[in-house]
Amino acid sequence: AQSVTQPDIHITVSEGASLELRCNYSYGATPYLFWYVQSPGQGLQLLLKYFSGDTLVQGIKGFEAEFKRSQSSFNLRKPSVHWSDAAEYFCAVGASGNQFYFGTGTSLTVIP
Amino acid sequence: AAGVIQSPRHLIKEKRETATLKCYPIPRHDTVYWYQQGPGQDPQFLISFYEKMQSDKGSIPDRFSAQQFSDYHSELNMSSLELGDSALYFCASSLRGRGVNSPLHFGNGTRLTVT
Repeated sequence: AQSVTQPDIHITVSEGASLELRCNYSYGATPYLFWYVQSPGQGLQLLLKYFSGDTLVQGIKGFEAEFKRSQSSFNLRKPSVHWSDAAEYFCAVGASGNQFYFGTGTSLTVIP
Repeated sequence: AAGVIQSPRHLIKEKRETATLKCYPIPRHDTVYWYQQGPGQDPQFLISFYEKMQSDKGSIPDRFSAQQFSDYHSELNMSSLELGDSALYFCASSLRGRGVNSPLHFGNGTRLTVT
């Protein structure tokens, strides 16, 4: 069965520090992987996606993610976090039939 | 660029009442999804439509129904509302016709409060 695990429920980083949000997936075939960001009271905004090809994908707002098949991971990274990055981050896997499975989210707090 | 439009943004209903949520997908998108997000929870898939036909069904209660109309907008109808139905309801659209998992584009959601 398909599943997505985000091991970190909550992460706190200082502004300007680097960030890595973890995502592990379970899926039998080649996964389509996504990261979404949700600000309070807002919808989910797509940060980046991986379908195939280069395993390091660039997204909006300076985010990137690396697909590692051997580790079944798709971790999100940012070299220098800004206060406006404080939000909830969701990893998702797209399965056959256009089903999408979301992780439980990681809440990011940024300390000035 | 046009985004997914949901209405209303906020809705307050009493127990046992009915509610209708509307979703207008991005133009030319052929697939609409409905998600329910409880407080502090990840979005839970309810139902989806592809080219106006029901495509997949998730954890949608029997009290809820949905449809997609000829203009591709979708409505989620919720009857006999319960306190536990209080949540943020998201609509998302995608272009499935591309043949790959096209990303979901989410609306800003409808916050339903049942009192």
